[in-house]
Amino acid sequence: EAGVAQSPRYKIIEKRQSVAFWCNPISGHATLYWYQQILGQGPKLLIQFQNNGVVDDSQLPKDRFSAERLKGVDSTLKIQPAKLEDSAVYLCASSRSGKRNEQFFGPGTRLTVL
Amino acid sequence: GQNIDQPTEMTATEGAIVQINCTYQTSGFNGLFWYQQHAGEAPTFLSYNVLDGLEEKGRFSSFLSRSKGYSYLLLKELQMKDSASYLCAVRDSNYQLIWGAGTKLIIKP
Repeated sequence: EAGVAQSPRYKIIEKRQSVAFWCNPISGHATLYWYQQILGQGPKLLIQFQNNGVVDDSQLPKDRFSAERLKGVDSTLKIQPAKLEDSAVYLCASSRSGKRNEQFFGPGTRLTVL
Repeated sequence: GQNIDQPTEMTATEGAIVQINCTYQTSGFNGLFWYQQHAGEAPTFLSYNVLDGLEEKGRFSSFLSRSKGYSYLLLKELQMKDSASYLCAVRDSNYQLIWGAGTKLIIKP
């Protein structure tokens, strides 16, 4: 089966600009996650969707970050305006429903904010 | 607060055995995961423990003690390709994953 797809793979922007990331989860996976991973740290959950509803967005900086998952499949994550500290890898993951539901990760988008 | 502790970095020799420890304090427990992450790549699933004991999968084994809030990942017959970061993650009472910072494993010939 095809894995989680993300684009772009790399993005360089200047602070105060906006940027958007796209994710296509594994077919049939109801749950979709966006993570921020800063170099040398573990992933930090930004937002979790179950189908097209938000399950958890408690760590999403809502003044600048937004995410949507229209139709319960693809998702986009937007940052507007970007800050220097947003430089990180943005990982999208998906999982089936169920107790074990290990997460499958996409290749990530490496964002550099100058 | 919720916390996952792992060593920052470990070094081992090709062909040897290494044990990576993980201790956790979380609000509830609904399973522990180990993921492998090569530099510049996404994490990939290695193992899942929800009951006490040892789970073996080829060269990799994972152990869990819920009463001690402790797990370890055991890697045998180390190969150069095992050089990576190993992430411990615990699912809490809300079924949210709490991630450790990862242990960078360096394999030397």
